[in-house]
Amino acid sequence: AQKITQTQPGMFVQEKEAVTLDCTYDTSDPSYGLFWYKQPSSGEMIFLIYQGSYDQQNATEGRYSLNFQKARKSANLVISASQLGDSAMYFCAMREVSGGSNYKLTFGKGTLLTVNP
Amino acid sequence: KAGVTQTPRYLIKTRGQQVTLSCSPISGHRSVSWYQQTPGQGLQFLFEYFSETQRNKGNFPGRFSGRQFSNSRSEMNVSTLELGDSALYLCASSLGGQEYGYTFGSGTRLTVV
Repeated sequence: AQKITQTQPGMFVQEKEAVTLDCTYDTSDPSYGLFWYKQPSSGEMIFLIYQGSYDQQNATEGRYSLNFQKARKSANLVISASQLGDSAMYFCAMREVSGGSNYKLTFGKGTLLTVNP
Repeated sequence: KAGVTQTPRYLIKTRGQQVTLSCSPISGHRSVSWYQQTPGQGLQFLFEYFSETQRNKGNFPGRFSGRQFSNSRSEMNVSTLELGDSALYLCASSLGGQEYGYTFGSGTRLTVV
């Protein structure tokens, strides 16, 4: 079974509008971390935001926020006021603490975001 | 502060050859992880090193190996290259604890012909 599911292969958004990228995850580990990365066409993975499973509040980093719904096992990324430079591939990833999965990230398949002027 | 440096950026090799990729982590980071990214399989974890010890390994054949040096720099080696090894290989560095995130390099794009 997939541990990280990103159901939107591609998304389009108008410049200056907000967009939500979906991510659901599957784990039985009570302690885990969720990450979002941006990958432009250059290839580098750029860290955007992190949410720990025990964090009480949703994480925010500038224009990025994470809508964390633990009971539903979802960790959607919200980008406010989209910019043309936001056009890229976006990956949701999880790190589980136990079960031999320490120290590695499991990635979803990604969502290709295109921001239109 | 310098980021994660991967060399070379691009590489073309012939089937059956071997290749070594290098990763220099952020200064002070003791953990280095390697990932393979292909259009078909996405991002897959190869292995992770901390203080010269491999702590975790993904499901890759023994042709894929790695090591870490005392200065935390890491190398990844692929022997007897196959066409399917063509991929973007990404290295990530971290301080090493579970509470820390990962900083990725720009990757090495390997093409096997």
